[in-house]
Amino acid sequence: SQQGEEDPQALSIQEGENATMNCSYKTSINNLQWYRQNSGRGLVHLILIRSNEREKHSGRLRVTLDTSKKSSSLLITASRAADTASYFCATDEPPIQGAQKLVFGQGTRLTINP
Amino acid sequence: EAGVAQSPRYKIIEKRQSVAFWCNPISGHATLYWYQQILGQGPKLLIQFQNNGVVDDSQLPKDRFSAERLKGVDSTLKIQPAKLEDSAVYLCASSRWTGYNEKLFFGSGTQLSVL
Repeated sequence: SQQGEEDPQALSIQEGENATMNCSYKTSINNLQWYRQNSGRGLVHLILIRSNEREKHSGRLRVTLDTSKKSSSLLITASRAADTASYFCATDEPPIQGAQKLVFGQGTRLTINP
Repeated sequence: EAGVAQSPRYKIIEKRQSVAFWCNPISGHATLYWYQQILGQGPKLLIQFQNNGVVDDSQLPKDRFSAERLKGVDSTLKIQPAKLEDSAVYLCASSRWTGYNEKLFFGSGTQLSVL
């Protein structure tokens, strides 16, 4: 089952601009995570935001979470060519045997043009 | 700290053949995951282990896929027989434990092409 849905599916911007990606989900969550995937590589964890948090920062990344709207956004400021990648949100489904089960969305493909 | 190791990096087989993938998680990580990622899609969880026990295998096509994690360390995922729709990247990930708010560490994946 796919819980998180990213929007847009693809985004192309100029280097130096800000990039915003959105994620919507369906059920209640404990946390929401964002991952980056460079072409042909595995996913790399970027940031985790808990359900009782509204905003979190990490370097040039800013993540917001609105549990009332069941949505999150990832903002990358001052984009660089190296930020070109696919970005996925992941939410945890109801636990099985107390275990976290992360479900990934379809991703946003971000292209930074020099 | 060493990352999650996966092999092989690429595999090309014909349909109906069998194939196996290997994963060695980060040392000390109790939880191991196998995800299937079809081109253009997000990763889909196939199976999740806590130590050497299966926590969730609800999306594993058990008629053709099997996985084991002997001694709670490395793991093998097998497909037998393979179908064309199994062409995908198979990602292994690990986390310290299986509780909430744990981030996953991914390997580089095995890209499988079934012809």
